[in-house]
Amino acid sequence: AQTVTQSQPEMSVQEAETVTLSCTYDTSESDYYLFWYKQPPSRQMILVIRQEAYKQQNATENRFSVNFQKAAKSFSLKISDSQLGDAAMYFCAYRRYSGGGADGLTFGKGTHLIIQP
Amino acid sequence: ETGVTQSPTHLIKTRGQQVTLRCSSQSGHNTVSWYQQALGQGPQFIFQYYREEENGRGNFPPRFSGLQFPNYSSELNVNALELDDSALYLCASSLLINTNTGELFFGEGSRLTVL
Repeated sequence: AQTVTQSQPEMSVQEAETVTLSCTYDTSESDYYLFWYKQPPSRQMILVIRQEAYKQQNATENRFSVNFQKAAKSFSLKISDSQLGDAAMYFCAYRRYSGGGADGLTFGKGTHLIIQP
Repeated sequence: ETGVTQSPTHLIKTRGQQVTLRCSSQSGHNTVSWYQQALGQGPQFIFQYYREEENGRGNFPPRFSGLQFPNYSSELNVNALELDDSALYLCASSLLINTNTGELFFGEGSRLTVL
C-alpha cells in the first residue's frame, strides 16, 4: 500500500519570505502522480500543483514550485514571496496511474502553514 | 458554472443511526468521489462513481454505500453509525479523463458528529 508522510505538523513563515514544506512517500509503482492540495479554513480543498512521475522537470505554478526527487521518494513544496492568503493546511497526495481504474488519492496528514505579518 | 455543493453542512447523529449526505457535482463533470477526513488527519478515499457505477473503492466497510444519479449528483449513505464515523466528508467531482491527473474539484464538506 502506498503511504504519504508529512513530518512537519506546523510551519511558520514571515510574509514575503520563502518556505518549504516536506513530503515523502512510499510506493512500488513507477507511474504515478504527486500533488499538493491546500485546505483553507473554508474546508474546500484546492489543487496547488501536480507532478507526473515520468517528468524529470520540476513543476512550477507562479510562486509555487516543487522539488521532486524520484529516487529518494521526496516531493517538497516551495512557496516564494509568502502571502497572508497562503495560510492554510497543505496536504501532499499520491495517486497511482490507474488507467481506467480509480484508486483515489492517498493523502498525508498535512502541514499547517502560518503566515506572520 | 456552479461549483461542487454539499448538504447538509453540519449534522449530529447517534450511534446506530443511518445518515445520507448529498453532493451536487460541478457542471459537466461525470465522476464523483467521496473522502472521509477525521479531525487532524488527511482525507481518506471512500469510493468513486462514474456513470452511476462504483468504479473504485478504498478500505471502507460495506455499510458505506453510495449512489450517483443521471444528473451526476451523488449520495453517500452510512448505516449503523459508529463513534469513529465522526468526520468531515468531502465530495469531489471531475471528468474521468482528468481523474488521474488530480483535477478534482472539492466541495466544502459535511461535518458529521456521532454521539
